[in-house]
Amino acid sequence: AQSVTQLDSHVSVSEGTPVLLRCNYSSSYSPSLFWYVQHPNKGLQLLLKYTSAATLVKGINGFEAEFKKSETSFHLTKPSAHMSDAAEYFCVVLRTYKYIFGTGTRLKVLA
Amino acid sequence: GAGVSQSPSNKVTEKGKDVELRCDPISGHTALYWYRQSLGQGLEFLIYFQGNSAPDKSGLPSDRFSAERTGGSVSTLTIQRTQQEDSAVYLCASSLVDRGREETQYFGPGTRLLVL
Repeated sequence: AQSVTQLDSHVSVSEGTPVLLRCNYSSSYSPSLFWYVQHPNKGLQLLLKYTSAATLVKGINGFEAEFKKSETSFHLTKPSAHMSDAAEYFCVVLRTYKYIFGTGTRLKVLA
Repeated sequence: GAGVSQSPSNKVTEKGKDVELRCDPISGHTALYWYRQSLGQGLEFLIYFQGNSAPDKSGLPSDRFSAERTGGSVSTLTIQRTQQEDSAVYLCASSLVDRGREETQYFGPGTRLLVL
């Protein structure tokens, strides 16, 4: 069955430095994968999605993720963190029609 | 255009009371989902509606939980005899279905339920 594992529950970076949020997936076939962001007391917002087209996916707000089948990974990156990026990030795999969520990574951006 | 809306945004109730949570999906989206976000449990699937098909209720945690979708649009999630462990944020999402495949899910802001 499909699942995702977010390797870090908390990540802290300084403003202007790169961001790396890690996600590994488990799937018996090529999955549909997503990253969502949730700001405090806000709903979930789609950052980007992978659906077996290009392996490097560009999303909103300068985020991107690379699908690596050999490593079963779908890590989220951003070259330069901004204070407004502080939020919780969820890696998601689509199983039939259900979203299976990772446990989330809380990103803290230090001034 | 308008996104998914949910009401109320916050609900405080007493243990044992019934509550109803409402979701208005994006117009034209035929698929509708309910999820629950709680401390310690993360985000979990509750129920799925697609068109006129029988809903997938496999994620409902107990028979105190039920949901309906009237006219293929608005959905109501009902929790009977609420318990303190029902306290959580209840999220609704909707999506298009293209050639039998669900597309991206768009989420509402959620209803924060607190059971005292």
